[in-house]
Amino acid sequence: GENVEQHPSTLSVQEGDSAVIKCTYSDSASNYFPWYKQELGKGPQLIIDIRSNVGEKKDQRIAVTLNKTAKHFSLHITETQPEDSAVYFCAASISGAGNMLTFGGGTRLMVKP
Amino acid sequence: ETGVTQTPRHLVMGMTNKKSLKCEQHLGHNAMYWYKQSAKKPLELMFVYNFKEQTENNSVPSRFSPECPNSSHLFLHLHTLQPEDSALYLCASSQARAGGTYEQYFGPGTRLTVT
Repeated sequence: GENVEQHPSTLSVQEGDSAVIKCTYSDSASNYFPWYKQELGKGPQLIIDIRSNVGEKKDQRIAVTLNKTAKHFSLHITETQPEDSAVYFCAASISGAGNMLTFGGGTRLMVKP
Repeated sequence: ETGVTQTPRHLVMGMTNKKSLKCEQHLGHNAMYWYKQSAKKPLELMFVYNFKEQTENNSVPSRFSPECPNSSHLFLHLHTLQPEDSALYLCASSQARAGGTYEQYFGPGTRLTVT
């Protein structure tokens, strides 16, 4: 089955700096890669996703890149703000496979004012 | 976040109790999921329902019993749980389309403590 590894497990940055979180996956058939943000006491919230037919996607301060050859994808947050502090999860799934997401272990991002 | 609601938000139960978790989605989706989130472990998929039919049971012990009476409601019935079952139980929903991959939207979760 699919295995998703996520690094780092914790990340501390200064407000205004950039943050990068990386994930690798094992199943080359995976073609959908969402990223979720989970704040304390809340469920995960979908913030951006990418499909295997594109290499990069941006949404304001957030961007995701995908390297299918190397089987890794990354989340980039620019101009970080204290409200970006949360746990971030990457995931992978295969089209038509019952939409079963396999999640990474999570990254706790702390943005220091 | 109000698109998927879960009740109760917190639950404490003894190992001999029977309780149920409830999930309701207001997004018009046709697929619903139960996940378990434990400390220091990735989110684990437990059950998947597509069009009210269970399509996945991810090797979950029989002390967890799901029920999906319609496409908007999902229950997780609990009985004779173990302390290691203490976790955050998350419900999610999505709009399934043939051959596609679908965004999943999560509820706030039920924090379960088994004593």
